[in-house]
Amino acid sequence: AQKITQTQPGMFVQEKEAVTLDCTYDTSDQSYGLFWYKQPSSGEMIFLIYQGSYDEQNATEGRYSLNFQKARKSANLVISASQLGDSAMYFCAMREMNNNAGNMLTFGGGTRLMVKP
Amino acid sequence: KAGVTQTPRYLIKTRGQQVTLSCSPISGHRSVSWYQQTPGQGLQFLFEYFSETQRNKGNFPGRFSGRQFSNSRSEMNVSTLELGDSALYLCASSLTPDRLNQPQHFGDGTRLSIL
Repeated sequence: AQKITQTQPGMFVQEKEAVTLDCTYDTSDQSYGLFWYKQPSSGEMIFLIYQGSYDEQNATEGRYSLNFQKARKSANLVISASQLGDSAMYFCAMREMNNNAGNMLTFGGGTRLMVKP
Repeated sequence: KAGVTQTPRYLIKTRGQQVTLSCSPISGHRSVSWYQQTPGQGLQFLFEYFSETQRNKGNFPGRFSGRQFSNSRSEMNVSTLELGDSALYLCASSLTPDRLNQPQHFGDGTRLSIL
């Protein structure tokens, strides 16, 4: 079974509008972290936001917020007031704290976001 | 503060050759991980190093190997290159591997093409 599922291969959003990118995950660990990264066409992966499994509040970081629903095992990224520079691939990733995982990140397949002017 | 530096940025090799990729982590970061990104398989974990020791390895053949030096710089080596090794290889660093909330910071990657 896929550990991280991103069901939206591609999405369009109008500039200045908000957009939600979906991410569901699968783990039996009680302690885990969820990360979102942005990858522009140039290739570098840019860290956006983190949510820990024990965090009671949804994470926020500037225009980025995370809609964390633990019971549903979902960690959706919300980008408010989209900008043209937000056009990129977005990856959801999970790190599990069991002994065998170490610092390994498991990534979803990504969502390509395109912002329309 | 300088980010993660990967060299070279681009590399073209032929089948059967071997290649060495280099990664310099952010100053003070001691944990280095490597990932392979391809259109078909997405982002896959290769291995992780901390204090010059490999802590974890992904599901890749033994042709893929790596090491970490005392200054935390890391190299990965791929021997007997195959066409399927064509990919973007990403290196990521973090302070330590022990804190769950520490994000990994990635370099720009090395794009390897096998002819």
